[in-house]
Amino acid sequence: QKEVEQNSGPLSVPEGAIASLNCTYSDRVSQSFFWYRQYSGKSPELIMSIYSNGDKEDGRFTAQLNKASQYVSLLIRDSQPSDSATYLCAVVIKAAGNKLTFGGGTRVLVKP
Amino acid sequence: DAGITQSPRYKITETGRQVTLMCHQTWSHSYMFWYRQDLGHGLRLIYYSAAADITDKGEVSDGYVVSRSKTENFPLTLESATRSQTSVYFCASSEQDSGNTIYFGEGSWLTVV
Repeated sequence: QKEVEQNSGPLSVPEGAIASLNCTYSDRVSQSFFWYRQYSGKSPELIMSIYSNGDKEDGRFTAQLNKASQYVSLLIRDSQPSDSATYLCAVVIKAAGNKLTFGGGTRVLVKP
Repeated sequence: DAGITQSPRYKITETGRQVTLMCHQTWSHSYMFWYRQDLGHGLRLIYYSAAADITDKGEVSDGYVVSRSKTENFPLTLESATRSQTSVYFCASSEQDSGNTIYFGEGSWLTVV
């Protein structure tokens, strides 16, 4: 079992719709969670960080964390073609020396 | 605001050659990291450094060497390149350890033939 798992996609959503991305992780004691966006051929850039259970909103993005179920999700509201990218979930994993461990990423395609 | 710069951005080398990827950051961040990104594996940590002269292995460190004589520089050396080391390499930095935001450089595309 991978320490951080994501569906590779592609997740195809129509413009204006909500894109919902999920991530599960193996370490029950993880406390720090991040979502990065990576455009093709570019480096990852941070979208959101979340540390507490519940929802955290930033513009069109909402991160949701459920530590009991060991999942973190990202919602993209009013999806735009410019949101087409790969979204990487990252979790600080104790077994990895408390280092950031990345999932394989979910590719999102927003169709006009 | 230069941030993190990597060089070279693109390199083709032959099996068995030594290759050094350079990384320079202007933020005076304590922590620096090297990741590689491959299809099917995502981003994997090669080495990290908590400060000058302090380095430690990550998940996939075999065949790689790092040094950190100055806070701002963190070069990654492939001692004897192999085809399996063909990858995209990202340098990153953060103010504190992984619980804080990590900022990535633009990446170095390395092909070993």
